[in-house]
Amino acid sequence: GIQVEQSPPDLILQEGANSTLRCNFSDSVNNLQWFHQNPWGQLINLFYIPSGTKQNGRLSATTVATERYSLLYISSSQTTDSGVYFCAVDPSSNAGNMLTFGGGTRLMVKP
Amino acid sequence: DTGVSQNPRHKITKRGQNVTFRCDPISEHNRLYWYRQTLGQGPEFLTYFQNEAQLEKSRLLSDRFSAERPKGSFSTLEIQRTEQGDSAMYLCASSFIGLAYEQYFGPGTRLTVT
Repeated sequence: GIQVEQSPPDLILQEGANSTLRCNFSDSVNNLQWFHQNPWGQLINLFYIPSGTKQNGRLSATTVATERYSLLYISSSQTTDSGVYFCAVDPSSNAGNMLTFGGGTRLMVKP
Repeated sequence: DTGVSQNPRHKITKRGQNVTFRCDPISEHNRLYWYRQTLGQGPEFLTYFQNEAQLEKSRLLSDRFSAERPKGSFSTLEIQRTEQGDSAMYLCASSFIGLAYEQYFGPGTRLTVT
């Protein structure tokens, strides 16, 4: 099956700093989503981005499908950005089916 | 739009007991998915439905796990003869298969087997 690797696994930032999270995947995809999991376990949708670039406030994401990676940018980080960020993909051979998740990036933003 | 809801939010059970979880998807979403997440890992796909049809169930962890979506609306996930290794967060998601496949997740049911 498809492999999804996220880096770095852990990240500690000072409030106000910028960061880039990376997601590499091993096969073509027709769905790629970024999620933020809050301390209560809720997965919050950040981006649906199988290709291209999107921005939402301090967050932006870019997926280069031909090179099989996606990047999540967090600018001017805040303590509320802390949590785990997951990348999840749906391989092209299984359209609209299961998502395969990476191992996540655990982000801690210190005041 | 009230989002995906799951009940109960927490369940503590003794080993060997049966448990059932419920998921109510976003209204008009025709696909419903179940995932399991253990501590420190990303969610792992279990099964999914399109309307009332269960289209993929080979990823269910054992024959003790079963899921239903009898009228194409809410779904239930049952675990029979629970084991300590079943302790995890069970997540439900839904999507509308049309122009995009974005999945939206519920808050999860945290199961503890003692």
